[in-house]
Amino acid sequence: AQSVTQLGSHVSVSEGALVLLRCNYSSSVPPYLFWYVQYPNQGLQLLLKYTSAATLVKGINGFEAEFKKSETSFHLTKPSAHMSDAAEYFCAVSDHAGNMLTFGGGTRLMVKP
Amino acid sequence: DTGVSQDPRHKITKRGQNVTFRCDPISEHNRLYWYRQTLGQGPEFLTYFQNEAQLEKSRLLSDRFSAERPKGSFSTLEIQRTEQGDSAMYLCASSHGQDNTGELFFGEGSRLTVL
Repeated sequence: AQSVTQLGSHVSVSEGALVLLRCNYSSSVPPYLFWYVQYPNQGLQLLLKYTSAATLVKGINGFEAEFKKSETSFHLTKPSAHMSDAAEYFCAVSDHAGNMLTFGGGTRLMVKP
Repeated sequence: DTGVSQDPRHKITKRGQNVTFRCDPISEHNRLYWYRQTLGQGPEFLTYFQNEAQLEKSRLLSDRFSAERPKGSFSTLEIQRTEQGDSAMYLCASSHGQDNTGELFFGEGSRLTVL
């Protein structure tokens, strides 16, 4: 069985500040890991994914995430927050067969001017 | 637009009524998934199809729920005798069977409100 824990259901940062959204996973097999973003009234959009290649993954809109097997983590970062980054972010894990994604509870990112 | 489309986007119904949602996946994708998302939670897996075959169903999918994908293209999710607890956003996603990483492409969802 797989699971994902996102620490902090709400994160607030100032515009221009570092964004750090935390994700820890549990998986009995080497995982594939994803970050999705959901803007209001829109569908989930893939930010980035880790599929056992480079452990530091770069995504869209300046986001990146680092896979750390020893810590079972896949935290999402962005050096400088923009107002347009305000959204809900979901971390997810899939098994090697890619049959389905298991999502975390989500983190709502708020960006203050 | 060649993304995943869902219809209707919003549905308000009275308890006990039946509702049906439709999903049209990206045309070359042979896998189709249904998820449910309640307020403040992440999406929860309901079921998935490879072509027309329903390969996995979650325990969340009670016997009041049925999903079909008759020709391996669009899919429908029917909820019979709706309950207030069924109020949620129902998300459809699709993926290409050759990509087994699990990357999914989501529609905008169908929001169900049961009064």
